[in-house]
Amino acid sequence: KNQVEQSPQSLIILEGKNCTLQCNYTVSPFSNLRWYKQDTGRGPVSLTIMTFSENTKSNGRYTATLDADTKQSSLHITASQLSDSASYICVVSARGQNFVFGPGTRLSVLP
Amino acid sequence: EAGVTQFPSHSVIEKGQTVTLRCDPISGHDNLYWYRRVMGKEIKFLLHFVKESKQDESGMPNNRFLAERTGGTYSTLKVQPAELEDSGVYFCASSQDLPWGGAQETQYFGPGTRLLVL
Repeated sequence: KNQVEQSPQSLIILEGKNCTLQCNYTVSPFSNLRWYKQDTGRGPVSLTIMTFSENTKSNGRYTATLDADTKQSSLHITASQLSDSASYICVVSARGQNFVFGPGTRLSVLP
Repeated sequence: EAGVTQFPSHSVIEKGQTVTLRCDPISGHDNLYWYRRVMGKEIKFLLHFVKESKQDESGMPNNRFLAERTGGTYSTLKVQPAELEDSGVYFCASSQDLPWGGAQETQYFGPGTRLLVL
C-alpha cells in the first residue's frame, strides 16, 4: 500500500534554532518527492521537488534531502523565523499515478 | 499573475443538499487537480484533469461527486446529495506540466473551500 509517514507529528522550537523534519514512504515506483508548507487557512505552497537522481535540494533556508534506497527524506530548516510556523507536508508521487500526502508536521516557532 | 482561486471560501449546508465548488486555475495551466482533507486526516487526491479530459479520477469517493471542466478552463465539483462525511476542506491545484516523466512541475494550490455538512 502506498503510504507516507512523517515525524514528528508536532514540534516547538525557539526562533533562530534549526530543526529537521522526517518523511518515510513506501510509494512505488517512485517518481518524485515534494515538500510543501501550509499556513493555517491557506493552501499548500511548494518548497522543493526532488526526483530519484537528486539527493539534496535547497530553497533559501529550507534544505531537503532524499535517500531513495531507504525511502526517506528530510527537510532541514535553518535559523528558524516566526513565519516558519506552519504545517510541513511531504508528498510522494508514483510514476504514472497521482500524489500520496503525508499527515504533516506541525511546526511552531516561538520568540 | 493571479493564483488559483476557489469559490466559495466556506459553505455550510444540510445533509441531502447539493453544493457546487468552483476552481479557477492559473491561466494557461492544462493540469487541474482536486484534493480534499477531511477532519484530522491527510490531504487526499480526488481527480486530475488535463485540459477538459479526466486523466485520473481514481480518488473520487463515490458517484455523489461529479467534476467537470468544460472548455478546459475553470472546473466545478458538485456534491449531490451531500452527506456528513463530506465535510472538510476541498483544495484545487493547477500545474503547467504533468507530474511525472522527469518534469519537475510545481503545483499551485488554491486557498481551499471549507465545506461543513450538518
